[in-house]
Amino acid sequence: EIVLTQSPGTVSLSPGERVTLSCRASRTLPNNYLAWYQQKPGQAPRFLIYGAFNRPSGVPDRFTGSGSGTDFTLTIARLEPEDLGVYYCHQYGDSPQTFGQGTKVEI
Amino acid sequence: QVQMVQSGAEVKKPGASVNISCKASGYTFTMYYVNWVRQAPGQGFEWVGLINPSGGGTRLAQKFQGRITMTRDTSTATVYMELASLTSEDTAVYYCTRMFAGAPYDLWGQGSPVTVSS
Repeated sequence: EIVLTQSPGTVSLSPGERVTLSCRASRTLPNNYLAWYQQKPGQAPRFLIYGAFNRPSGVPDRFTGSGSGTDFTLTIARLEPEDLGVYYCHQYGDSPQTFGQGTKVEI
Repeated sequence: QVQMVQSGAEVKKPGASVNISCKASGYTFTMYYVNWVRQAPGQGFEWVGLINPSGGGTRLAQKFQGRITMTRDTSTATVYMELASLTSEDTAVYYCTRMFAGAPYDLWGQGSPVTVSS
């Protein structure tokens, strides 16, 4: 199975700052089928990015996905207080689907 | 309203089975796969398996094969997941999610907590 490794484990920043989260795959993702989700405490995750860099309607443009192959990044351009939570990457191009272990964003 | 509504929390003893339901509404039920993922306390996500509501075919994670059953009822747009031979390691929140072919999860249920304890 494809193993996804996220870094850093936790990041603490102030509102307005820029943050970059990393997700590295153990082998090339088919079709760059990589998604990002945000999970707040006690809630189901929220879908942020699909296909490595596509943003669904309703997701603020301060969230940007990039990367291809095995290295992917989620950038939050200007942190807002509501951006706190745990961010997970997810590969859905190979079976079994797998998730990264998450990066916690503290504000 | 487009949503997936899951059944409530369950407490089970080791060795028992649990059956979780996920009722879809607001969209064409047979057009999207339904995946099940779980999240153990304080942990990340683990993919359990998926069902194609159109034909009922399933694909399961290898570690669950033999003790998990996924079914669907198209008349009520509901998917069911039964997990047997429970152990404490099955304690988790179980989520159903909607997935279009070639796309990730764009809709999640609210989660069904399952606690396995003697």
